[in-house]
Amino acid sequence: QKEVEQNSGPLSVPEGAIASLNCTYSDRGSQSFFWYRQYSGKSPELIMSIYSNGDKEDGRFTAQLNKASQYVSLLIRDSQPSDSATYLCAVNTRNSGYSTLTFGKGTMLLVSP
Amino acid sequence: GAGVSQTPSNKVTEKGKYVELRCDPISGHTALYWYRQSLGQGPEFLIYFQGTGAADDSGLPNDRFFAVRPEGSVSTLKIQRTERGDSAVYLCASSLSGTSSYEQYFGPGTRLTVT
Repeated sequence: QKEVEQNSGPLSVPEGAIASLNCTYSDRGSQSFFWYRQYSGKSPELIMSIYSNGDKEDGRFTAQLNKASQYVSLLIRDSQPSDSATYLCAVNTRNSGYSTLTFGKGTMLLVSP
Repeated sequence: GAGVSQTPSNKVTEKGKYVELRCDPISGHTALYWYRQSLGQGPEFLIYFQGTGAADDSGLPNDRFFAVRPEGSVSTLKIQRTERGDSAVYLCASSLSGTSSYEQYFGPGTRLTVT
């Protein structure tokens, strides 16, 4: 059973702080990693993808990947109340020439003004 | 451009009835996925289409669930003899291709309630 684990939270941070969201995965063969943001009652929205070890930055978001530790994280700098949402970690599950995604249960982030 | 669209946005049906959920992927996306999301859970994979064929239907929970994509674009998820446990949000996603490096984009979902 290929698994993706996330703390359910909620993770509470004050406005302007750095929010750090973590995810571990069990399938060593996974090659692609994604972070989705999901507002209450809405569908997941892709915010970051990362494929190689190290950091990838996009605006206030930084994704970090460590394949040896099977760990991927998302940092949100200068957190805003509008960042309050559930963040889903998704990992590709390799099959024969294609992949599907395995999701964690998500971490709820609450940013207080 | 237009994103993934799904209809209906909400569907309430009685136990034992048949329902169809529709997904229209992003234009040019050959890969289409159906997921199901229950409250407090992440999306769970149901079925994957590459073009017209179902390349992987291993996530379908039982034979009451079936999906088609006859022309390689719009897909319909069909649920027979609905049960209360089928109540969930059904999400459709599409990507340029089914290979691992392509990002999946989700539609708004269909919330199915079986009474």
